[in-house]
Amino acid sequence: AQTVTQSQPEMSVQEAETVTLSCTYDTSESNYYLFWYKQPPSRQMILVIRQEAYKQQNATENRFSVNFQKAAKSFSLKISDSQLGDTAMYFCASPPSGTYKYIFGTGTRLKVLA
Amino acid sequence: NAGVTQTPKFQVLKTGQSMTLQCAQDMNHNSMYWYRQDPGMGLRLIYYSASEGTTDKGEVPNGYNVSRLNKREFSLRLESAAPSQTSVYFCASSGHRDRGRGEAFFGQGTRLTVV
Repeated sequence: AQTVTQSQPEMSVQEAETVTLSCTYDTSESNYYLFWYKQPPSRQMILVIRQEAYKQQNATENRFSVNFQKAAKSFSLKISDSQLGDTAMYFCASPPSGTYKYIFGTGTRLKVLA
Repeated sequence: NAGVTQTPKFQVLKTGQSMTLQCAQDMNHNSMYWYRQDPGMGLRLIYYSASEGTTDKGEVPNGYNVSRLNKREFSLRLESAAPSQTSVYFCASSGHRDRGRGEAFFGQGTRLTVV
């Protein structure tokens, strides 16, 4: 069964600094998708970034980028120029290819310090 | 653009009471999901509906039932609430025609407390 692991329950970063959140996964699929979701205190789940496994290029969305290491099954999220509004829970997720189920990690609580 | 709407946002139940959480999406998505979120455990899938007319169990289905009323609506029912069902519940939908490729869109969550 596909699994998604986030090994950092909590992290903090100073405003304007860079932080990297880790995610590893285990799959036997050759083609799959990976997602990072942000959950601020409002509880709303917001898609941050998506990566397609067959693409070599790492996905980027403004200050958010991923470091996708397919062989190592690693999918880390880098947040540059951290802002107070980035304070949130961050979840890594992956739907096993050909299924409708989204498998989530246990989350990393990020606090951006002023 | 409403996206995924779930009601209620908050609910307190007594042990043994029943209730239904409602969810509706206006994005014409085929697939809908119910997750629960507990501290330290991420989001766990309760039930999902790949398409109108079908439902399947997820990781933690015990104590719950679902109904896919039509393409838009997917409800979650607790027949006899237990304190272990205290959680935050999320409804989600996805619509990519290739399974496992599109992101899921979430409702705002329901905080349920069973006393």
